[in-house]
Amino acid sequence: DTGVSQNPRHKITKRGQNVTFRCDPISEHNRLYWYRQTLGQGPEFLTYFQNEAQLEKSRLLSDRFSAERPKGSFSTLEIQRTEQGDSAMYLCASSSGLAGANTQYFGPGTRLTVL
Amino acid sequence: GENVEQHPSTLSVQEGDSAVIKCTYSDSASNYFPWYKQELGKRPQLIIDIRSNVGEKKDQRIAVTLNKTAKHFSLHITETQPEDSAVYFCAASIPMFSGGYNKLIFGAGTRLAVHP
Repeated sequence: DTGVSQNPRHKITKRGQNVTFRCDPISEHNRLYWYRQTLGQGPEFLTYFQNEAQLEKSRLLSDRFSAERPKGSFSTLEIQRTEQGDSAMYLCASSSGLAGANTQYFGPGTRLTVL
Repeated sequence: GENVEQHPSTLSVQEGDSAVIKCTYSDSASNYFPWYKQELGKRPQLIIDIRSNVGEKKDQRIAVTLNKTAKHFSLHITETQPEDSAVYFCAASIPMFSGGYNKLIFGAGTRLAVHP
């Protein structure tokens, strides 16, 4: 499968615990995005990487959230001290860095449930 | 501000009928407008997109129209089939800091049900 992959697909955790999600983009894509999707809503932008540089962060991203893309390939999203309001689907997307190539391809998401 | 409104939130049609979903956006700098289809429990899949230099684009039974002056764009599905049943999201690109790349602002989605 050459598409965007995410792990784990599901995560159940207790409030206050830390969780980490991984995203592997399409191999030649240098742009990577994280979104959050709650039930009945469209995806909401969280953060953007171009290669290893995190160039944009949404105001939705509180200081409990941190994302990395250390070698410009896979990315991780960590949530510290999880809260019930963090329960959502976390989607990763990637796109090519070619001029005019805006298409974002999404992964299957990680569904987080905070008890 | 950054906002995309999508209507209707639910749409029920008979197989073979047409379906139209409409979106409006707020940022005049938006220049790329994709539409995604999301089936239950699956990832959003791009079905069609349009850039601001054209007013209409068609791909088989699916077409998208764009009115940049009014900041409206619409998805048209003709000859609907039961397998078209899904949630459809429109999105508009928003240029990010220093330009050259965009984030997507999504509408809230339209749940389309096509009845045999």
